[in-house]
Amino acid sequence: DTGVSQDPRHKITKRGQNVTFRCDPISEHNRLYWYRQTLGQGPEFLTYFQNEAQLEKSRLLSDRFSAERPKGSFSTLEIQRTEQGDSAMYLCASSSMTDRSSYNEQFFGPGTRLTVL
Amino acid sequence: AQSVTQLDSQVPVFEEAPVELRCNYSSSVSVYLFWYVQYPNQGLQLLLKYLSGSTLVESINGFEAEFNKSQTSFHLRKPSVHISDTAEYFCAVSDGFGNEKLTFGTGTRLTIIP
Repeated sequence: DTGVSQDPRHKITKRGQNVTFRCDPISEHNRLYWYRQTLGQGPEFLTYFQNEAQLEKSRLLSDRFSAERPKGSFSTLEIQRTEQGDSAMYLCASSSMTDRSSYNEQFFGPGTRLTVL
Repeated sequence: AQSVTQLDSQVPVFEEAPVELRCNYSSSVSVYLFWYVQYPNQGLQLLLKYLSGSTLVESINGFEAEFNKSQTSFHLRKPSVHISDTAEYFCAVSDGFGNEKLTFGTGTRLTIIP
């Protein structure tokens, strides 16, 4: 198991374009989280899934943001009509509700750094 | 709503000196508290957590944190720091035992001076 992976690691796009990020959680982790981190700030929660069900999405920053986890494994985060203010690091994390040894721990991926020109 | 305050954005410390990184939280419900660490060019990693029971919790690399309910604090301490402790440290709170959303502070950058 190599941990949480995210693709791409870096994305540069022009304002108005759509972007999609992928997150592969640790295998058999049933919870998956998305956070956003801007410079000088801590991670900010966006949304999370249990298996394929999206349990909370009220923190998604606008209706331009959407996330899916169609088969309960990998997840995608899409930003439509990107704006310069969307430039940030997008972090994915996963956790297990069944592994007692790490029940309360969220394991983070390396992040995708988005730059909107 | 929950919130976390880390008042010190940067803390420089001489090697082998003690350090305390401050964290205060506000929450209207039961809280579960965490310290995450981000080493240069790496992802966030859990350092230690308080869920219940003993208010003093320890990590495997010598850090400890004490939950103080009356002062709503969860300060992180280490009696003697090493160069390898250079990192950014984030305090976080969850009302869902760690398996729901985490609310993070703004982070403290710990720099160890040789």
